[in-house]
Amino acid sequence: QKEVEQDPGPLSVPEGAIVSLNCTYSNSAFQYFMWYRQYSRKGPELLMYTYSSGNKEDGRFTAQVDKSSKYISLFIRDSQPSDSATYLCAMKLVWAGGTSYGKLTFGQGTILTVHP
Amino acid sequence: EAEVAQSPRYKITEKSQAVAFWCDPISGHATLYWYRQILGQGPELLVQFQDESVVDDSQLPKDRFSAERLKGVDSTLKIQPAELGDSAMYLCASSPLGQGQETQYFGPGTRLLVL
Repeated sequence: QKEVEQDPGPLSVPEGAIVSLNCTYSNSAFQYFMWYRQYSRKGPELLMYTYSSGNKEDGRFTAQVDKSSKYISLFIRDSQPSDSATYLCAMKLVWAGGTSYGKLTFGQGTILTVHP
Repeated sequence: EAEVAQSPRYKITEKSQAVAFWCDPISGHATLYWYRQILGQGPELLVQFQDESVVDDSQLPKDRFSAERLKGVDSTLKIQPAELGDSAMYLCASSPLGQGQETQYFGPGTRLLVL
């Protein structure tokens, strides 16, 4: 079983829909949680970054982390065709000394298509 | 805006040949990462450098892969000999110090096809 599980989709929604993307994880030592967007044949770009549990909002994007359930979500409101991409969740460990090891552990990625 | 540079963007080679990828991180970033992304999967770390030192190469297939960052700036990842299963996107990322609160910035990647 992988440390981070993500439904690969593909997910197809109409423009203006609310999109929900999710990941589950098994390692309770993960403390930093990120969502990356990756367009075809491009490198991942950071969308959202959350430390520990809670919610974070940035424009049309909201990230949620529930450490008790080992579950993270990304919500996209008023989705646009330009949001069509692969969305990757990623996580980082924090060692007992409080310093991150740096390595990102990614989910498989969810392919999202928003059609006009 | 500063970016991570990678070259070449695409590489086609035959199995058993040697290939090399180059990465130039954002200026001043001490930490450099090489990830491999197989089609349909998320990136997986191959090697992490802090300045010129390797801090994690536990997932690097050392019988055929090597990586160096001699002056603690740009880096080269080499595969010799290449195998069919090495076909993937090779991504380079950098961050200022590799600390937990920092963002990793990714380059555009090198897409490798081994025939």
